[in-house]
Amino acid sequence: AQKVTQAQTEISVVEKEDVTLDCVYETRDTTYYLFWYKQPPSGELVFLIRRNSFDEQNEISGRYSWNFQKSTSSFNFTITASQVVDSAVYFCALSGGVGRGGKLIFGQGTELSVKP
Amino acid sequence: NAGVTQTPKFRVLKTGQSMTLLCAQDMNHEYMYWYRQDPGMGLRLIHYSVGEGTTAKGEVPDGYNVSRLKKQNFLLGLESAAPSQTSVYFCASSYSGQGDFNYGYTFGSGTRLTVV
Repeated sequence: AQKVTQAQTEISVVEKEDVTLDCVYETRDTTYYLFWYKQPPSGELVFLIRRNSFDEQNEISGRYSWNFQKSTSSFNFTITASQVVDSAVYFCALSGGVGRGGKLIFGQGTELSVKP
Repeated sequence: NAGVTQTPKFRVLKTGQSMTLLCAQDMNHEYMYWYRQDPGMGLRLIHYSVGEGTTAKGEVPDGYNVSRLKKQNFLLGLESAAPSQTSVYFCASSYSGQGDFNYGYTFGSGTRLTVV
């Protein structure tokens, strides 16, 4: 079975602090895809990143960075110098690809609150 | 290019009433999905479709039916609504079942359903 766990339900930081959101996944597939989505208070789901299981390179995009480690089945997300606009619910998700009908399995989400 | 459009955006139903949620995509995507989002539980897959004329059950299919008669449309039906079906419903689509590298799975803006 596939599963995604985001153990941190809520995180609160003060602006300009760095914050890391944890994501641990379970799968027996050798080919799979990992995602992060942001859900701001307005409710839409905003795509942040997709990573495939064969690409363990860390990714940096502005203040955002992702650390993918197959050895620990983790795909953590770090926001550097957080801002109030980063306040949102963040979801980590896993897809087994075509072999599993492309089903996207979500973690429970981490609610990040960035205070000024 | 509208992406994924969900209709309606809001609805209040009485227990026992029926309704259909419409999801329409104009990206020629093969794969389509219906999720529900409840507080603290992330997004859970209700039903999905890997192509026109096909449907399959997801994690929480009870009380829902779906149809994919046309490639661009994926309908979610509630035959006899119950208060437990009060939720926010999201539709998503993907061309390949892997999510696109640049934009992942495409999500609609959601339907907020209240059953009283």
